[in-house]
Amino acid sequence: TQLLEQSPQFLSIQEGENLTVYCNSSSVFSSLQWYRQEPGEGPVLLVTVVTGGEVKKLKRLTFQFGDARKDSSLHITAAQPGDTGLYLCAGAGNAGNMLTFGGGTRLMVKP
Amino acid sequence: DTGVSQNPRHKITKRGQNVTFRCDPISEHNRLYWYRQTLGQGPEFLTYFQNEAQLEKSRLLSDRFSAERPKGSFSTLEIQRTEQGDSAMYLCASSPTGHRNTNYGYTFGSGTRLTVV
Repeated sequence: TQLLEQSPQFLSIQEGENLTVYCNSSSVFSSLQWYRQEPGEGPVLLVTVVTGGEVKKLKRLTFQFGDARKDSSLHITAAQPGDTGLYLCAGAGNAGNMLTFGGGTRLMVKP
Repeated sequence: DTGVSQNPRHKITKRGQNVTFRCDPISEHNRLYWYRQTLGQGPEFLTYFQNEAQLEKSRLLSDRFSAERPKGSFSTLEIQRTEQGDSAMYLCASSPTGHRNTNYGYTFGSGTRLTVV
């Protein structure tokens, strides 16, 4: 069974601060995705990373896939209240049949 | 296409009753997934279909759970003899098929929140 551990589980920061969320596993994934979920809604895809060492930027969000494709990080610069939500990482195995999700990081950005 | 649609959004049922949820995926997507999410946790995989074929089921899925996708379009998830532990958000997602198709990501519906009392 492939497991993904996310840290921290909870994060409460002030508007304008930077933060990093981590996603770690002992397993290798063919790709890794990050989602954001708001209360009462389904997760929404933010990014997919495929190549070890890959870095992708989405405005103030920077995603990195580890060289060994076992871990990933999400860095948010100058967080805003609109960034508040549950951030989920999800890894795909080689068969690509289904995603394994981490437990999520709940982020609250206070104005 | 309006995305993945799930009905109902909320369902309250008494313990021991049967419930059925429906998912309408994006029409071009031939893969459909069911996940369950409890409060404060990430989604847990239940089962997935490619077209009408159910290709994988989680060991979490007891024999009280059954899913169908009879014509390769919409899907239903039925829970028989519901228990309080079944209370959760049931999420449906769809994706296209292709080489390493999960690179495209899932499109999730808004989920059905089940409360068993």
